[in-house]
Amino acid sequence: GESVGLHLPTLSVQEGDNSIINCAYSNSASDYFIWYKQESGKGPQFIIDIRSNMDKRQGQRVTVLLNKTVKHLSLQIAATQPGDSAVYFCAENRAGGTSYGKLTFGQGTILTVHP
Amino acid sequence: NAGVTQTPKFQVLKTGQSMTLQCAQDMNHEYMSWYRQDPGMGLRLIHYSVGAGITDQGEVPNGYNVSRSTTEDFPLRLLSAAPSQTSVYFCASTQIVGNSPLHFGNGTRLTVT
Repeated sequence: GESVGLHLPTLSVQEGDNSIINCAYSNSASDYFIWYKQESGKGPQFIIDIRSNMDKRQGQRVTVLLNKTVKHLSLQIAATQPGDSAVYFCAENRAGGTSYGKLTFGQGTILTVHP
Repeated sequence: NAGVTQTPKFQVLKTGQSMTLQCAQDMNHEYMSWYRQDPGMGLRLIHYSVGAGITDQGEVPNGYNVSRSTTEDFPLRLLSAAPSQTSVYFCASTQIVGNSPLHFGNGTRLTVT
């Protein structure tokens, strides 16, 4: 079946740098995308989401960009901090309505922030 | 407000044993679901429920049963555990209305020997 994938399984950055985590999706019918952060021993934590009628959405230190033409999603973290070290997952919802919660997750990217 | 609570945190089973993973949420969310997470893979949906008395299968339902007798609770049952069910299990919930994000519990790490 179709799935969400990530270009880079690991990313190492220096504290204070900006981080960009990429995600490719294959289903053009997907209408909702989410980024989660998962720290060791914990469940995924919601970071930011975006709907397919938007190209960009900003939160606190995070920005999600959606390029529907090439089916690409990215998460930008500004001024990365050691506390940002975690696994980051993108997920897509392939249809609206009652299937909003049936998310399909990517494999994840490990972000390591060096002090 | 505890959010989504999963018990136990860790469990070791022998092949063929049965057990129930508990999940409770106190946010009055209609939607609840179970995912499993295996090394190097994203989360995969096992079963989900859109309300009390209603359940449906996800991507990997074989070997698991669920029921939803109340809005708060959504237990996952393994009737006869197999080594292939060694995984970390996450329960999640959200509101029915709109594309609200899933709220996850902290998981149950299950080992089947």
